[in-house]
Amino acid sequence: GENVEQHPSTLSVQEGDSAVIKCTYSDSASNYFPWYKQELGKGPQLIIDIRSNVGEKKDQRIAVTLNKTAKHFSLHITETQPEDSAVYFCAASRRYGNKLVFGAGTILRVKS
Amino acid sequence: GAVVSQHPSRVICKSGTSVKIECRSLDFQATTMFWYRQFPKQSLMLMATSNEGSKATYEQGVEKDKFLINHASLTLSTLTVTSAHPEDSSFYICSARTSGGDYYEQYFGPGTRLTVT
Repeated sequence: GENVEQHPSTLSVQEGDSAVIKCTYSDSASNYFPWYKQELGKGPQLIIDIRSNVGEKKDQRIAVTLNKTAKHFSLHITETQPEDSAVYFCAASRRYGNKLVFGAGTILRVKS
Repeated sequence: GAVVSQHPSRVICKSGTSVKIECRSLDFQATTMFWYRQFPKQSLMLMATSNEGSKATYEQGVEKDKFLINHASLTLSTLTVTSAHPEDSSFYICSARTSGGDYYEQYFGPGTRLTVT
């Protein structure tokens, strides 16, 4: 089955700097890769996702890149702000609705 | 769009009692809903997958008689923790999946904090 590894487990950055979180997956048939942000005591919020037919997707300060050959994908947050502090989870699944497999999560702390 | 609600947000119950948690998709129809459990500082652990009108599929190690799931409509799924014990205390999160197009986006509820005393 699918296995998703996520690094780093914690990341501290200065406000305004960029943050990068990386994930690798094992199932070459996976082709849907969402990223979730979870604030303390709340449910995960879908912030961006990428399908296998593209290599990069951007939404304002957030971008995700996908390298299908190497089986890894990354979340990039630019101009970080204190409100970006949260736990971020990557996930992977196959097309047509197989269950999501989550990474272990990354605690992002943005210091002001 | 794509809002999922959960009720209650917090519940405290005595050991041996049962607790029901509701999950609703507010602005879309969800043919599939998922129930997760999350321990502090850990990732989400999938408990079961429920499809509207059929029996839930439980993950290995999850007791189906203890965690009863009902998905009676396209907008409502319920999780009942039967005969709860302190070790069942956890953060329970549901999610609902849209069914449009080729890919299925999954949206999560706000979670329910269960404390069993």
